[in-house]
Formats: sequence, C-alpha cells, structure tokens
Amino acid sequence: GESVGLHLPTLSVQEGDNSIINCAYSNSASDYFIWYKQESGKGPQFIIDIRSNMDKRQGQRVTVLLNKTVKHLSLQIAATQPGDSAVYFCADLYNNNDMRFGAGTRLTVKP
Amino acid sequence: NAGVTQTPKFRILKIGQSMTLQCAQDMNHNYMYWYRQDPGMGLKLIYYSVGAGITDKGEVPNGYNVSRSTTEDFPLRLELAAPSQTSVYFCASSLQGYGDYTFGSGTRLTVV
Repeated sequence: GESVGLHLPTLSVQEGDNSIINCAYSNSASDYFIWYKQESGKGPQFIIDIRSNMDKRQGQRVTVLLNKTVKHLSLQIAATQPGDSAVYFCADLYNNNDMRFGAGTRLTVKP
Repeated sequence: NAGVTQTPKFRILKIGQSMTLQCAQDMNHNYMYWYRQDPGMGLKLIYYSVGAGITDKGEVPNGYNVSRSTTEDFPLRLELAAPSQTSVYFCASSLQGYGDYTFGSGTRLTVV
C-alpha cells in the first residue's frame, strides 16, 4: 500500500547548527503534506504544511521543501535549539480524512 | 480553552476485558480522529468522524468501536481487549479536516 517514511530514525546535531530531516512518500496522488513534532509524553504538534502546488514554504525557523519528481520532502530547522529535541513526523493526506504518518525521526540537540 | 482532553492517561487491562477511552474537545471542531501509535511507528488511523452522528473506519478499525453523539465527545470502545491492542492512543480534532490537527496527550494502554 501507499506509505510515507523517513530516511533516518535518529539525528543528532549541535546546538546552533541547522537540522535537515528527510521524508519520502509513495502516493503520487498526495497533494498535501504536514510535519509534526512530538515531545516525550505528549501528542504530536503541527509545525508546518505544504500543498503539492508549492515546492517550498517557510515558517518561523522552519522550512519545508517538496520535490514531487522524486516524491521527497524535507524539514529544515535553522539554528537548532535544545527545545527542538523531539520526534518529527511527516504525514500526507492519503485521501480525504486519512492522514498517513511516517515512523518518525528522533532529533537530539547536543549543547 | 482546554483543547483535546483524553482520559485516562494510563490503563492496564486483562485480556478479554472492555473499556472506553474518552476524548473531548472544546473547540467546536467537526472532525475528530482516533489514532494508535506503536513503539517506533507512525500513527495509524482507527476511526474518524466528520460530525455528530457520522463515523467511519480508518486504516486499523478491527477490535474497536466509536460513537459521536455530540460535537464535543468521541469515545473509543475496546470490547475484548487483546495484547495486540497494547499501544498509545491519541485523539485529535480538526476544524478543516486537513492537517491542522490538535492532538490530546494520549492514553497509554497495556493489555496483559
């Protein structure tokens, strides 16, 4: 079946560096993608989204890039801070009302 | 404004027991969802609702039931608990039905 997945289960970066978390998806019909952040013991929290008619979208310290040709999206976090340590999920809207989530990448920020 | 509230936070069930996971939201969202999250895995959709009185199956509905009698509440029922249902359960709601989900803090369920 269709799926989304992340390339690396863990990522460790130095505080102040930029982080890049990658995700691949298989459903060529997906037209909406979201990144979520999940801190320990909490539910996922919406970070940023992007529609398939865009290839880049920026938020506060975060940028999402979408490459439809290779079915890949990435989340870039600028000047990573200790508070950014969490698990990050990409998700796509598989069909109306069915968000499909990847397995997540655990980001650890070293002081 | 409490957002999405889930109860209980933790529960241990014996095989064959039943329980209801409660979920309530105070944001007047029409869309509500139940997901389960297994260790090291992404969330999988169990059931969803697009409004009071309307529910539909997600990717992994077997062993679960839901009801939506009000806009605010969306309880998830496990009738005959099995070890395979050991997981963390998240309820979410959405205004638009797109990615703008607000999640609860989860219920950690262990079936022994």
